[in-house]
Amino acid sequence: GDSVTQMEGPVTLSEEAFLTINCTYTATGYPSLFWYVQYPGEGLQLLLKATKADDKGSNKGFEATYRKETTSFHLEKGSVQVSDSAVYFCALSDLKGSQGNLIFGKGTKLSVKP
Amino acid sequence: GAVVSQHPSRVICKSGTSVKIECRSLDFQATTMFWYRQFPKQSLMLMATSNEGSKATYEQGVEKDKFLINHASLTLSTLTVTSAHPEDSSFYICSANTGVTDTQYFGPGTRLTVL
Repeated sequence: GDSVTQMEGPVTLSEEAFLTINCTYTATGYPSLFWYVQYPGEGLQLLLKATKADDKGSNKGFEATYRKETTSFHLEKGSVQVSDSAVYFCALSDLKGSQGNLIFGKGTKLSVKP
Repeated sequence: GAVVSQHPSRVICKSGTSVKIECRSLDFQATTMFWYRQFPKQSLMLMATSNEGSKATYEQGVEKDKFLINHASLTLSTLTVTSAHPEDSSFYICSANTGVTDTQYFGPGTRLTVL
């Protein structure tokens, strides 16, 4: 069945460092791809999404490009801040454009030090 | 933005007892609510999908008689873990969908520990 694999954490970076969190997926169809973020003590929030190949999702300085050829959706940010410390989840939905059937990766905890 | 709350945030119970977890949409009406379960260092696993006023749809392998879901109103869904056992200890997360878009809004989760 469909699945999502993302790099294991925790990831610890200094402020202003470059961030990459790898995410690859396995799907039989053409899923939509998502990144969710969970700040301490809060629920998951949608960070960005892409619904078709070569789409780039972006929000709050984070970007991810839907790469069909490598089945990847890596999350990047050029300069992280302490406030970016959170757990990041990669997810896919096999319902086109929908978040109704979300399949999540295990999550990657990011800690940014001042 | 849309806010979803869960209550309680943590619960510890004895084996054999039942535990009810509430999921509320605070500032919107939720036509659909989802219940997830997350084991340590594992993915969130969808347990069931519930629509207001109708029976929940359970994912394969989830016992509906053990995990009772009630979505009685457009702002409240409850998950009751019946006759809980230590293997039911987990982090339970709900999410809600407004029906206007398909964005899911997540609650902060409930940590259940069964002794």
